[in-house]
Amino acid sequence: DAKTTQPPSMDCAEGRAANLPCNHSTISGNEYVYWYRQIHSQGPQYIIHGLKNNETNEMASLIITEDRKSSTLILPHATLRDTAVYYCIATTSGTYKYIFGTGTRLKVLA
Amino acid sequence: EPEVTQTPSHQVTQMGQEVILRCVPISNHLYFYWYRQILGQKVEFLVSFYNNEISEKSEIFDDQFSVERPDGSNFTLKIRSTKLEDSAMYFCASSLPEGVHEQYFGPGTRLTVT
Repeated sequence: DAKTTQPPSMDCAEGRAANLPCNHSTISGNEYVYWYRQIHSQGPQYIIHGLKNNETNEMASLIITEDRKSSTLILPHATLRDTAVYYCIATTSGTYKYIFGTGTRLKVLA
Repeated sequence: EPEVTQTPSHQVTQMGQEVILRCVPISNHLYFYWYRQILGQKVEFLVSFYNNEISEKSEIFDDQFSVERPDGSNFTLKIRSTKLEDSAMYFCASSLPEGVHEQYFGPGTRLTVT
């Protein structure tokens, strides 16, 4: 699995878009990018995943660069409840183990 | 919406005792996992399980640990002879069979070894 690199922390004003970057320069052609978040010590919560096309669901959008070496998770209108640690994971399939990094601690400010 | 459940939410045990952590995965999922998170540290993979056998395990998952699917709904993690360093949050997860499917995590069991 490719190693991912994320900034340790970010702040975002409530109501604004939160853009969380992830670098995965060693990603291979069959590895997907998954995003999860963890609020306090709760179980990680799935957000979104993608291979090479941009993806959007009710929670977020995922923008993957054309060379697939990096991606950005976008929370379009951040709320206080989005304060969490966000993890970017590169893996070949959802049925494989996830290697979690230290993630980005996002703090949404009122 | 279906979810993964785990019991108990908090387990306190004495060093050297055996504990069993229980999980009920989402009903149509066939891949099951255990992860752990020591306080303040990363979430770490322990083991994956499919078709009644271990698919993959990490170096953490040594002979002290075992997993079982005793019936059609439960998935358990047994820790024999617990050590202080086993204190952690233990998360169960499940996913659909083969293909690109996300893993769904339970709320975790906090294990405290005294």
